[in-house]
Amino acid sequence: AQSVTQLGSHVSVSEGALVLLRCNYSSSVPPYLFWYVQYPNQGLQLLLKYTSAATLVKGINGFEAEFKKSETSFHLTKPSAHMSDAAEYFCAVKGQSQGGSDKLVFGKGTKLTVNP
Amino acid sequence: DSGVTQTPKHLITATGQRVTLRCSPRSGDLSVYWYQQSLDQGLQFLIQYYNGEERAKGNILERFSAQQFPDLHSELNLSSLELGDSALYFCASSDPREQGDTQYFGPGTRLTVL
Repeated sequence: AQSVTQLGSHVSVSEGALVLLRCNYSSSVPPYLFWYVQYPNQGLQLLLKYTSAATLVKGINGFEAEFKKSETSFHLTKPSAHMSDAAEYFCAVKGQSQGGSDKLVFGKGTKLTVNP
Repeated sequence: DSGVTQTPKHLITATGQRVTLRCSPRSGDLSVYWYQQSLDQGLQFLIQYYNGEERAKGNILERFSAQQFPDLHSELNLSSLELGDSALYFCASSDPREQGDTQYFGPGTRLTVL
């Protein structure tokens, strides 16, 4: 079984500051890991994904995440926050096992506020 | 734009009624997933279809059912609606040949049950 914990349901940063959104996962099989962003009244947009090719993953809009197996973490970072980054961010996990469910298991989300 | 379309965008109905939500996957994607997003439960997996066949079930109520048609579009049917069914319903699709079998989400259908 898989699970995701996102630490901090709300994170507030100043424009230009570092963004760090935390995600820890639990998985009995090697995981695929994803970060999605949801802007108000919109669907989920894929930011980036880890598929075991490289531990440091770069995504859209200047975001990146590092897979750390020893810490079971996949934290999302961006060096300099922009006002347009204000949204809710979801971390999700999926097992790599063949023949099992392909469902995504999501964390509860972190709402990012960017202050001018 | 993910390439996944969902209709309608909004749906307002009364308790006890039945509604149908429709999803068209990205071109070529054989898998379709349905998720429910609510304030108290977060994002929950409901059901997955692959090339017309049910592949996995999650926290889907017996009052809910889904199907995937030969043209690969999918419908989610919600019946005997209750106030607690008010939520955002997302459809996603994926191509298992893509590394990670990444799911791409539609814009969602917001269901309000009065």
